[in-house]
Amino acid sequence: NAGVTQTPKFQVLKTGQSMTLQCAQDMNHNSMYWYRQDPGMGLRLIYYSASEGTTDKGEVPNGYNVSRLNKREFSLRLESAAPSQTSVYFCASRVLGTGSEKLFFGSGTQLSVL
Amino acid sequence: RKEVEQDPGPFNVPEGATVAFNCTYSNSASQSFFWYRQDCRKEPKLLMSVYSSGNEDGRFTAQLNRASQYISLLIRDSKLSDSATYLCVVPPRENFNKFYFGSGTKLNVKP
Repeated sequence: NAGVTQTPKFQVLKTGQSMTLQCAQDMNHNSMYWYRQDPGMGLRLIYYSASEGTTDKGEVPNGYNVSRLNKREFSLRLESAAPSQTSVYFCASRVLGTGSEKLFFGSGTQLSVL
Repeated sequence: RKEVEQDPGPFNVPEGATVAFNCTYSNSASQSFFWYRQDCRKEPKLLMSVYSSGNEDGRFTAQLNRASQYISLLIRDSKLSDSATYLCVVPPRENFNKFYFGSGTKLNVKP
């Protein structure tokens, strides 16, 4: 059982380039999330999708777009990368309902923007 | 004020010590609280959930103080393997999908 799979694991971009981070889960979870993690700042929520067909902004959505392609996949796009977007990105998913609040995370994407 | 705040540490303790961290939250309506553990350069993993006054799992005890709006994590008989960053999560009641993380407390357990 793969759980949550993120690609790529590492990426280096030049300022102004665009890219899409892919995330897929095989657990039939309803909700999916994108976080970024910078040193000393914990995880900050970028966007989330409570269910297929919906997306909402988190704490730090500026500079990002998301697509909930289907129930399995939730992608994060950087249209014009900036050095401030250098970070580790984590995708996560969970099933809805009380007692099911456990977030399952992917292994992360290390992104450097030069 | 941030939704969730934690002392970044690091907390440096010897093996066998008891250590406790606090996490303060701003939304008084929050009903559920979580502690996650994150090892260096790894993804976070759920450690404990707290729905009422507290929860205990082996050497780990999580307690909730609603009046003062904080949750605590107590680790007894610390092991070297407990060295990690501990993150708290407090989803707001009005939107349970907003899983906001605290910045984490780093624990170093030394021989």
